Amino acid sequence: EDQVTQSPEALRLQEGESSSLNCSYTVSGLRGLFWYRQDPGKGPEFLFTLYSAGEEKEKERLKATLTKKESFLHITAPKPEDSATYLCAGPMNSGYSTLTFGKGTMLLVSP
Amino acid sequence: DAGVIQSPRHEVTEMGQEVTLRCKPISGHDYLFWYRQTMMRGLELLIYFNNNVPIDDSGMPEDRFSAKMPNASFSTLKIQPSEPRDSAVYFCASRKAGTANTEAFFGQGTRLTVV
Repeated sequence: EDQVTQSPEALRLQEGESSSLNCSYTVSGLRGLFWYRQDPGKGPEFLFTLYSAGEEKEKERLKATLTKKESFLHITAPKPEDSATYLCAGPMNSGYSTLTFGKGTMLLVSP
Repeated sequence: DAGVIQSPRHEVTEMGQEVTLRCKPISGHDYLFWYRQTMMRGLELLIYFNNNVPIDDSGMPEDRFSAKMPNASFSTLKIQPSEPRDSAVYFCASRKAGTANTEAFFGQGTRLTVV
């Protein structure tokens, strides 16, 4: 069964304290690994798609990387506005049209 | 583009009542998804449509749940009768078809509370 597992479940950082979030997956024939950000009371907002091992993408203080087994979301010098839940997702086994989501990492950045 | 639009944003209903959630996808998107989000189970796919046709409804928890997409710009998710365990946030998402898996865009969600 295809699975996406995220760790840690929650992470508290001080402003400026860099760290990484992990997403491991057991999806056969992976065709894309997606990162989303979700703020309280809102829908998930797309951040990145990674398609092949070794690929990296950046957006402001965020950088996503992909290996054959896992993906990392690196947060460099975070600010309080980076506080959110970060979700990763991979295509489901059934034809790759849909995504299966991990449960997310809730990030809190304190000033 | 206004993005994916869901209504209502909040719904409180009594057990046994019928509930209808509505979604307007982004114009030109070929796929529409209904997800449910709870603290315990995270985001779960309920059903998805391609070009208005239901493709996979294996995530629909029971026969009390039904979904329709009468045209490319509108979809509904209906629960009849509703039960307290249906309380959750329901999201609609849409995306374009593509050679690679393209990103889905989510609506703001409908927070359903069944009392």
